[in-house]
Amino acid sequence: AQKITQTQPGMFVQEKEAVTLDCTYDTSDPSYGLFWYKQPSSGEMIFLIYQGSYDQQNATEGRYSLNFQKARKSANLVISASQLGDSAMYFCAMRELFTGTASKLTFGTGTRLQVTL
Amino acid sequence: DAGVTQSPTHLIKTRGQQVTLRCSPKSGHDTVSWYQQALGQGPQFIFQYYEEEERQRGNFPDRFSGHQFPNYSSELNVNALLLGDSALYLCASRGRGQKGSYNSPLHFGNGTRLTVT
Repeated sequence: AQKITQTQPGMFVQEKEAVTLDCTYDTSDPSYGLFWYKQPSSGEMIFLIYQGSYDQQNATEGRYSLNFQKARKSANLVISASQLGDSAMYFCAMRELFTGTASKLTFGTGTRLQVTL
Repeated sequence: DAGVTQSPTHLIKTRGQQVTLRCSPKSGHDTVSWYQQALGQGPQFIFQYYEEEERQRGNFPDRFSGHQFPNYSSELNVNALLLGDSALYLCASRGRGQKGSYNSPLHFGNGTRLTVT
């Protein structure tokens, strides 16, 4: 079974608007962490935001926030006030703390975000 | 502060050949992991190195091997190349012994794009 599911292969958003990128996950590990990375065409994976499974509040980092719904096993990324430079691939990833190592992330297939004028 | 550096950036090899990819971790990091990212997919974990030993391995055949040197840099070797090995190979690093290190993100390099013909 796929552990990380990103159902939106592509998304369009107008500049200055907010956009939500969906991510659902599946794990039997009681402790896990969820990450979002941005991958521009250069190839580098850029860390955006982290949410731990026991964190009580949703994570925020500047224009990025994570809408974490544990019961639904979803960890959606919200980007507010989109900018042209936000155009890139976005990956959701999970780290399982008991069954994995801190260096092993399981990634989804990604969502390509295109910001338009 | 140098980030994760990888070399070469691009490589073209013929089926059956062997290839070596190189990675220098971010300053202060001692754990290196390798990922394979096929076109249109998310990265897949190959293995992780710490203290010059392979600590965990993903679902990759023995044709994929690695090494970590005393200065924490790492090599990824792939023998008997197949057309399906064509991908972007990403190196990631993280530090250990940090308080709350399980929420620390992986820092990725720009990758090496390998084409097997």
